[in-house]
Amino acid sequence: GENVEQHPSTLSVQEGDSAVIKCTYSDSASNYFPWYKQELGKRPQLIIDIRSNVGEKKDQRIAVTLNKTAKHFSLHITETQPEDSAVYFCAASGYTGNQFYFGTGTSLTVIP
Amino acid sequence: EAGVTQFPSHSVIEKGQTVTLRCDPISGHDNLYWYRRVMGKEIKFLLHFVKESKQDESGMPNNRFLAERTGGTYSTLKVQPAELEDSGVYFCASSGLTNTEAFFGQGTRLTVV
Repeated sequence: GENVEQHPSTLSVQEGDSAVIKCTYSDSASNYFPWYKQELGKRPQLIIDIRSNVGEKKDQRIAVTLNKTAKHFSLHITETQPEDSAVYFCAASGYTGNQFYFGTGTSLTVIP
Repeated sequence: EAGVTQFPSHSVIEKGQTVTLRCDPISGHDNLYWYRRVMGKEIKFLLHFVKESKQDESGMPNNRFLAERTGGTYSTLKVQPAELEDSGVYFCASSGLTNTEAFFGQGTRLTVV
């Protein structure tokens, strides 16, 4: 099955700096890659996703890049704000089974 | 539109007891997933329903776990008998078409003592 690895496990940045979280996957059949943000005590919520026919997608301060050849994708948050502090999960999904395989999560802290 | 709802939000039970978790997906979503997060680790897949059928239950840890989705609407996940290592947060998620956004419930925090 699919194996998703996520790094780093914790990340602290100063407010206004950029944050980058990286994930790798093992199954070349995976074709959908969502990113979820989970604030303390709340449910994971989708913040951005990308499909395998696209190399990059951007939504305001958040962007995701995908390298299918290398089987890795990254989340980029620019101009970070304290409210960006949360745990971020990457995931991969393919045609087979349609389940989502998640990374181990990155705890992001934005220091005011 | 109502989101994915899970009951209870917290449960503390003794080792050997039985607990049943419930998930109400978004109306009309055929896909329903159960996941578990233990001690700050990854969100680990347990099983996937398509309507009332189990599409994939490869993530179920052992036969102490039983999931059902009668009628293809809400789902239950029963743990019987519960063990200490079953503690964690159990998430349910639902989605519509293949490879579209999965909406999560708020989770059930299970503590087995």
